[in-house]
Amino acid sequence: AQSVTQPDIHITVSEGASLELRCNYSYGATPYLFWYVQSPGQGLQLLLKYFSGDTLVQGIKGFEAEFKRSQSSFNLSKPSVHWSDAAEYFCAVGGSTNAGKSTFGDGTTLTVKP
Amino acid sequence: DAGVTQSPTHLIKTRGQQVTLRCSPKSGHDTVSWYQQALGQGPQFIFQYYEEEERQRGNFPDRFSGHQFPNYSSELNVNALLLGDSALYLCASSLGQAGNTIYFGEGSWLTVV
Repeated sequence: AQSVTQPDIHITVSEGASLELRCNYSYGATPYLFWYVQSPGQGLQLLLKYFSGDTLVQGIKGFEAEFKRSQSSFNLSKPSVHWSDAAEYFCAVGGSTNAGKSTFGDGTTLTVKP
Repeated sequence: DAGVTQSPTHLIKTRGQQVTLRCSPKSGHDTVSWYQQALGQGPQFIFQYYEEEERQRGNFPDRFSGHQFPNYSSELNVNALLLGDSALYLCASSLGQAGNTIYFGEGSWLTVV
């Protein structure tokens, strides 16, 4: 069975500081990996996805993620956080390009200090 | 271009009742997935509809059922509501079952009392 672990429930960073959100997955075959952001009162928005190829993936809003097969990780990062990045972030894994059937982690809440 | 729309936004039901939630996919999309997101947790996959049939199903009991209409819109029905069914129900749409990008609606908040 596939699963996703996001070890950090809550992270606080100062505006302008760098950010890394951790994601570890468990999946027996080639994983298809996603990061989503959920702002209060809104649905989830796709930030980026990894299927194959270059293990460093660029996404929207200046985010990027690195796939490390040996560590079963897909960590999300951003070099300089903006106050508008405060939200909840979810990592998800799927067994195919069928993004609609994904297993999500429980999320990491990001707070940005002024 | 309308995104994914869901209705109602909020509703309160009594234990044992039945509820129907509705979803209109993003224009051009033909595949609809439903998720349950309990407070403090990530979304959990309920099922996916394509060509008016349930194609994939997560680990949810038969009390959860759905339907997809010829215009690709979808309904989620939950019978015999339990307190534990209280959650945000999210609909997501994509193009085809291999659609690698999905778009989520803002969800329907269900409270069971």
